[in-house]
Amino acid sequence: QKEVEQDPGPLSVPEGAIVSLNCTYSNSAFQYFMWYRQYSRKGPELLMYTYSSGNKEDGRFTAQVDKSSKYISLFIRDSQPSDSATYLCAMSTGSSNTGKLIFGQGTTLQVKP
Amino acid sequence: ETGVTQTPRHLVMGMTNKKSLKCEQHLGHNAMYWYKQSAKKPLELMFVYSLEERVENNSVPSRFSPECPNSSHLFLHLHTLQPEDSALYLCASSQGGIYNEQFFGPGTRLTVL
Repeated sequence: QKEVEQDPGPLSVPEGAIVSLNCTYSNSAFQYFMWYRQYSRKGPELLMYTYSSGNKEDGRFTAQVDKSSKYISLFIRDSQPSDSATYLCAMSTGSSNTGKLIFGQGTTLQVKP
Repeated sequence: ETGVTQTPRHLVMGMTNKKSLKCEQHLGHNAMYWYKQSAKKPLELMFVYSLEERVENNSVPSRFSPECPNSSHLFLHLHTLQPEDSALYLCASSQGGIYNEQFFGPGTRLTVL
């Protein structure tokens, strides 16, 4: 079983739709949860970061963590064609002093005008 | 230059060649990482350097040889690679510690013939 599972998609939605991206994980020691966005031919960039359980909102983006279910989500409201990218979830236990992250496979999102 | 830069951006090499990938970070960070990104697979952490000392080596074949001469530069020396080594190689840096955001470079797209 992979430590982090993420549906690779692709996911195609019309502009303005609400997008839900999800990851499940098996290691209950994970405490730090991140979402990275990767545009074509670019490196990943941090989009959202959450510590432990709860919600975090930043503009059109909301990150949710449910540690009891080992499930994290990223919601994108009023999706735009510029949101078309691959979204990677990443997690860390915090036990490594090198900040080691475990990544999901990434979900490719296409937002059609 | 700002952020994390990588050269070359594209590299094609034969199985008997020797080449090197270069990464430079302009962020004052003290931890640097090499990742391998293959299609349909999660980011694979290859090496971690903290304060110029290699602190993690994730069972990477010896045909990949990292070098960190100072906290701003990271190299990945390649020799006698296999076609399955073709991938996007990403460099990242962070401030280090339990959790710190990792900043990624644009990657080197490597093709092994």
